[in-house]
Amino acid sequence: EPEVTQTPSHQVTQMGQEVILRCVPISNHLYFYWYRQILGQKVEFLVSFYNNEISEKSEIFDDQFSVERPDGSNFTLKIRSTKLEDSAMYFCASREVPNYGYTFGSGTRLTVV
Amino acid sequence: GQQVMQIPQYQHVQEGEDFTTYCNSSTTLSNIQWYKQRPGGHPVFLIQLVKSGEVKKQKRLTFQFGEAKKNSSLHITATQTTDVGTYFCAFSGAGSYQLTFGKGTKLSVIP
Repeated sequence: EPEVTQTPSHQVTQMGQEVILRCVPISNHLYFYWYRQILGQKVEFLVSFYNNEISEKSEIFDDQFSVERPDGSNFTLKIRSTKLEDSAMYFCASREVPNYGYTFGSGTRLTVV
Repeated sequence: GQQVMQIPQYQHVQEGEDFTTYCNSSTTLSNIQWYKQRPGGHPVFLIQLVKSGEVKKQKRLTFQFGEAKKNSSLHITATQTTDVGTYFCAFSGAGSYQLTFGKGTKLSVIP
């Protein structure tokens, strides 16, 4: 079964440092997303990406965040200057059509110290 | 913005007992999706419901969408230890493709 692949699985970074989280969506999927989940809490939407541009973003997705699809297969989330409250599990997701279920990656656990 | 309330927050059942989680909205939903997240895992898509009064079954799981499209339920018959995890409902608002998740129901199954 096709998978969404995320790397790294765990990232520890110092406050104020930049991090890049990487995702390889399923190859025939066109819609890409980043979500995050603070430990024990619900899954929260960050941003959606379609046709090489952001289609929607949440209030969480402020100027510290950016997304890119640099080479047609990878999909990255950059956090420019990490804060302690950015510590969470970050999930990449993709889907082939807009009105159906997502396939989530296994996540990157980001710990900001 | 639009939100959904999921109840209960936690449920402990004896293996073999049934389990139901409910998802309620104060406004009409265009669709509802259900996901399962195993401990330490990622959300896995189970099903999408779109039509008023829709009922879908997957083996021991039964999903319902209310007639008014304001509530939904997931029922598991004769739970097994493999059913352990958190069950989330989620929806996308009109004109939006982002999913808004409920807080989830965490199911524990006592063998």
